Amino acid sequence: GAVVSQHPSRVICKSGTSVKIECRSLDFQATTMFWYRQFPKQSLMLMATSNEGSKATYEQGVEKDKFLINHASLTLSTLTVTSAHPEDSSFYICSANYFSGGAGETQYFGPGTRLLVL
Amino acid sequence: AQSVTQLDSQVPVFEEAPVELRCNYSSSVSVYLFWYVQYPNQGLQLLLKYLSGSTLVKGINGFEAEFNKSQTSFHLRKPSVHISDTAEYFCAVSDSRAYSGGYQKVTFGTGTKLQVIP
Repeated sequence: GAVVSQHPSRVICKSGTSVKIECRSLDFQATTMFWYRQFPKQSLMLMATSNEGSKATYEQGVEKDKFLINHASLTLSTLTVTSAHPEDSSFYICSANYFSGGAGETQYFGPGTRLLVL
Repeated sequence: AQSVTQLDSQVPVFEEAPVELRCNYSSSVSVYLFWYVQYPNQGLQLLLKYLSGSTLVKGINGFEAEFNKSQTSFHLRKPSVHISDTAEYFCAVSDSRAYSGGYQKVTFGTGTKLQVIP
């Protein structure tokens, strides 16, 4: 259980275009999802926290108009990179909070989306 | 705020030998601790977590970690590694106060690449 999927797994786009990445919790409902960015040979950097039915909470330094997040349902959050530029090329990973009763909550991660902006 | 330090960026080890991946953290409040594994071009998979109770935590794939509050460490160990353990391992910490009822924001270390040599 607790599977998180991402689509697409890889995308190449031209500079100036927008790209949408989907994050789905397949077998559980997630009121909270997280979006991370991972640069080569570096750790994960939290970009924003996505809450179902409300606005996302962005980390300091992350442009909310650049990275649009929509958490429309309890199983789907989307990240749209608007007017993408080469410096936006990165590996984007989402995670979803799963409550497992007495064991509390755990973040389960999607497989990631590699974005390359030409 | 919390921070996580993984001093070893790479750890080569021969197959069937024991391994220890080091993790130290800093925090002004009580924390929860996690180890995740990331295989190439994939998301993160939870290996184990420490929330409370016994300081020795056993996880999947034969890994275990010990929480040492006085040394602010949470080192990951495995008595005998396999080729399939070759991956990158991330130590992470979250503020325990934000765990129940809300959501946890997790801070990741920079990762340690474990290379198992045949």
